Amino acid sequence: DIVMTQSPDSLAVSLGERATINCRCSQSVLYSVDHRNYFAWYQQKPGQPPKPLISWASTRESGVPDRFSGSGSGTDFTLTISSLQAEDVAVYYCQQYSGAPLTFGQGTKVEIK
Amino acid sequence: QLQLQESGPGLVKPSETLSLICTVSGDSIISSSYFWGWIRQPPEKGLEWIGSIDHSGSAYYNPSLRSRVTMSVDTSKNQFSLNLRSVTAADTGVYYCARLPQTGTGGRGNVDYWGRGALVTVSP
Repeated sequence: DIVMTQSPDSLAVSLGERATINCRCSQSVLYSVDHRNYFAWYQQKPGQPPKPLISWASTRESGVPDRFSGSGSGTDFTLTISSLQAEDVAVYYCQQYSGAPLTFGQGTKVEIK
Repeated sequence: QLQLQESGPGLVKPSETLSLICTVSGDSIISSSYFWGWIRQPPEKGLEWIGSIDHSGSAYYNPSLRSRVTMSVDTSKNQFSLNLRSVTAADTGVYYCARLPQTGTGGRGNVDYWGRGALVTVSP
């Protein structure tokens, strides 16, 4: 299994400041044939299902604000919220779909400082 | 707009079978471009992929659950289902059904649509 490790487990950021979440994969999720990273980010608020934010490591899903961006390749990835808003308080999960079984990170809780 | 809705008992006794159905609306489950999957989340914990199935009924399971899981699809009702046998308290959690664009073999994909989730408690 590909193990996904997120850091930090939680972070508190002031409104309007940048939040950065990291995710490391135990093996590369970059597929050599198509040069794509099989990697996604999700946002989950209490009592709600996860919401897709980013797929293919850096492609924002439809309707996702552009303050959310994804970067990285191979084994190391980052989700950046450029200017934290109150509605961004949530738990964020990374996921790989390069290999079976599909696996998720343990989650990072983002709060307001 | 695609919608997925889980249904089934909210309480299951230990050693019995957990059964859930996901009803899909706004898209046909016959589409060959997607897998239809189940993902669960124990209370206050992270996400675990249970398995995925395509419109033809080819199913792919997490090896950690494979011996207890069966998934099936009913194209006439636009539904797919999950059976998890011999449950214990460790199987308690919210069960989500989901749509996964097919990005490769083996049931792999990201999730582009999630159901609202069904809380299932395993208790005597």
